[in-house]
Amino acid sequence: DSGVTQTPKHLITATGQRVTLRCSPRSGDLSVYWYQQSLDQGLQFLIQYYNGEERAKGNILERFSAQQFPDLHSELNLSSLELGDSALYFCASSAQAASSTYTDTQYFGPGTRLTVL
Amino acid sequence: GENVEQHPSTLSVQEGDSAVIKCTYSDSASNYFPWYKQELGKRPQLIIDIRSNVGEKKDQRIAVTLNKTAKHFSLHITETQPEDSAVYFCAIAGGTSYGKLTFGQGTILTVHP
Repeated sequence: DSGVTQTPKHLITATGQRVTLRCSPRSGDLSVYWYQQSLDQGLQFLIQYYNGEERAKGNILERFSAQQFPDLHSELNLSSLELGDSALYFCASSAQAASSTYTDTQYFGPGTRLTVL
Repeated sequence: GENVEQHPSTLSVQEGDSAVIKCTYSDSASNYFPWYKQELGKRPQLIIDIRSNVGEKKDQRIAVTLNKTAKHFSLHITETQPEDSAVYFCAIAGGTSYGKLTFGQGTILTVHP
């Protein structure tokens, strides 16, 4: 158990709908990262937050958004869902924000499996 | 931009043999090189990592070597066991892409008893 929690574990929804995935980082960690894992794209970075502020962005679709709250939990919102959004969504956390010269170890949560029908 | 190539995509060994997985990367500013193990439907689990100021790191049956000049790093698993069977991912971070991990395509390791 990494100490990172994610809810829900599974989510089944229809195209066009909107869902919210939730992540709680390890105790004491200030950074939260979101990754998407699909069969054709592999593990891809979506977005990072540090202490409530967005720090880095990957190839995240405009239909997707995220935020980190004062208690440091984070939510990933996916809207206008398409079949291709079906994937495993992982949250990871680390103690510090990264810099160009140092990257902290990231610990992954159990993931949320999203199925869009 | 950053890119990492991982080989082989599948690796089949007999129990007790060694397994080696190699990753090459393009961004010379990369400074952090972790390896994750992922079992089916589970989370990626960090098994070992190395930073750019170190050439080799070992943890029991697992070792990672880094060649910054050639821009490649490798995972070595000795005395493999059936429970080592999983998908292994290398990743890179640092430089202009600090914070985010860029993953290789993964290697499916199967250890036959």
